[in-house]
Amino acid sequence: DQQVKQNSPSLSVQEGRISILNCDYTNSMFDYFLWYKKYPAEGPTFLISISSIKDKNEDGRFTVFLNKSAKHLSLHIVPSQPGDSAVYFCAAQTTGTASKLTFGTGTRLQVTL
Amino acid sequence: GAVVSQHPSRVICKSGTSVKIECRSLDFQATTMFWYRQFPKQSLMLMATSNEGSKATYEQGVEKDKFLINHASLTLSTLTVTSAHPEDSSFYICSAGGTGVNQPQHFGDGTRLSIL
Repeated sequence: DQQVKQNSPSLSVQEGRISILNCDYTNSMFDYFLWYKKYPAEGPTFLISISSIKDKNEDGRFTVFLNKSAKHLSLHIVPSQPGDSAVYFCAAQTTGTASKLTFGTGTRLQVTL
Repeated sequence: GAVVSQHPSRVICKSGTSVKIECRSLDFQATTMFWYRQFPKQSLMLMATSNEGSKATYEQGVEKDKFLINHASLTLSTLTVTSAHPEDSSFYICSAGGTGVNQPQHFGDGTRLSIL
């Protein structure tokens, strides 16, 4: 039972354009959502997060949007840079469950020149 | 930001060997650490929650006797893969932090385990 889904396994975007990565979840108890970036043979690096009381959080080039009614979140990267090429995982957590994270399957972003 | 160190980064050993992986929180105390496993092109799957001074909590389907977890101090958790077999070959990652409200977990760089 995949509670967090990233339906696009890969995405290719031209440098300077916007990258939009999507994530859907099924568990309505999730109240904290995170995006991680991962390079091969490395651990995930935390990018940005959002609490369920908000619908948008912005940090530099990264913005996360949350639509609770649709159980959907997205990560926008603008402008995209070649160094952004990596696998992006969304993750979700329910406060008070020993901080367990449930991860999506990841989207591989390729930013081309 | 929080730093989590994981060692070793890569292990190659023969079937039947036991392998210990260390996870350290370098600039903060972690009463709870987490161990994940990732198969190629798949998501990170939580294996167990490591609790300082008490027994680890294992996820369903994870063998406690196969994956021994010890969390003897506030900055160190270890995962021992006992009598490893080729099917145990995987990428193991630990994390720490995230126990406060709306606080992210931070991950180590992972250990690539290859059992021959």
